[in-house]
Amino acid sequence: AQTVTQSQPEMSVQEAETVTLSCTYDTSESDYYLFWYKQPPSRQMILVIRQEAYKQQNATENRFSVNFQKAAKSFSLKISDSQLGDAAMYFCAFWTGNQFYFGTGTSLTVIP
Amino acid sequence: NAGVMQNPRHLVRRRGQEARLRCSPMKGHSHVYWYRQLPEEGLKFMVYLQKENIIDESGMPKERFSAEFPKEGPSILRIQQVVRGDSAAYFCASSPLSDEKLFFGSGTQLSVL
Repeated sequence: AQTVTQSQPEMSVQEAETVTLSCTYDTSESDYYLFWYKQPPSRQMILVIRQEAYKQQNATENRFSVNFQKAAKSFSLKISDSQLGDAAMYFCAFWTGNQFYFGTGTSLTVIP
Repeated sequence: NAGVMQNPRHLVRRRGQEARLRCSPMKGHSHVYWYRQLPEEGLKFMVYLQKENIIDESGMPKERFSAEFPKEGPSILRIQQVVRGDSAAYFCASSPLSDEKLFFGSGTQLSVL
């Protein structure tokens, strides 16, 4: 079975601080992609960062970086220098070739 | 290049009515995916279509739900005889190829009274 688990329904971070969102997944596929999506109140799904499973190097996008542990099937998202605009639901997902599998999301609050 | 367009943004139906949700993919995209998001849950795959073909409908309920992506015009997700449990946000995504580069629309929020 293909599953994605986000064990933190809610997280909060002080503005300018760093926060890490957890994600674990399960798949029997060897080739896949991993993603973090941000969903603000507007409901738009915005791609934050993407990681190819065959790459050992962790992906980074400005203030966003991941810690990808393939053997442990773990894919956490680190947000550095948090900003008020980072407040949103964050979904971890992976793609196996035909469809995405999403976690249940983590609601991130940024405290001014 | 406009993004993935979904309409309506909000749709209210009474139990037993039909709901039609529209999705216009990005220009040049021939692959369309529909996802459903229940409150406080992630997106769940429903169906994957290419022009005039249903490729994978393994996530779609067998009854009352249907989807199409005609040669001309938008993709349509149709829900017949809606029930309260159909209330959810329905997202459409498109891609130029069958790969992971999906672009999402803003979703249609369906509310069944």
